[in-house]
Amino acid sequence: GQSLEQPSEVTAVEGAIVQINCTYQTSGFYGLSWYQQHDGGAPTFLSYNALDGLEETGRFSSFLSRSDSYGYLLLQELQMKDSASYFCAVPPYNTDKLIFGTGTRLQVFP
Amino acid sequence: DAGITQSPRHKVTETGTPVTLRCHQTENHRYMYWYRQDPGHGLRLIHYSYGVKDTDKGEVSDGYSVSRSKTEDFLLTLESATSSQTSVYFCAISETTGDPEKLFFGSGTQLSVL
Repeated sequence: GQSLEQPSEVTAVEGAIVQINCTYQTSGFYGLSWYQQHDGGAPTFLSYNALDGLEETGRFSSFLSRSDSYGYLLLQELQMKDSASYFCAVPPYNTDKLIFGTGTRLQVFP
Repeated sequence: DAGITQSPRHKVTETGTPVTLRCHQTENHRYMYWYRQDPGHGLRLIHYSYGVKDTDKGEVSDGYSVSRSKTEDFLLTLESATSSQTSVYFCAISETTGDPEKLFFGSGTQLSVL
């Protein structure tokens, strides 16, 4: 089966760096995705790691290590607008599905 | 904008009544998904479709059925709504066939079953 675990909540101040971890137990998957969701809004795609290592997109970076069953989303130079929920997700092998983690609520304070 | 419209946006219904939610897309994408979102559970897959009349179950399909008679429309039906089905329902599409890692979501439907 598949399960993805994330911390339920993370807090940080503007300008800081925060890391949101995702650990998983799954029988096999193609890669690791990250989504952002603001309160009352729809999830929006942030990034996808098809390979192990670090992927950087502006202030956001995402990391995957299959050997450690672990990934993270790194947010730098935090802004108030980064306050949202963040979800990791995996597409398991031999399926057309995307399975989501439980989500991490990030609160950024001034 | 992936051209996804969900209707209705909000609905209040009573236990035991049938409810149908609609997801409409304008760009002829093959894959469409229905998720529900509840506090503490994240997004859970209900059903998905990989073409007209081609559907499959997700993690939490009990109590739900789906239909896709046209490429652009994916319907989710609660045959007899229960209070446990109170949730926010999101439809999503995959722009790339066979690559579900990047989904585009509709605005959601808030369903309350009293």
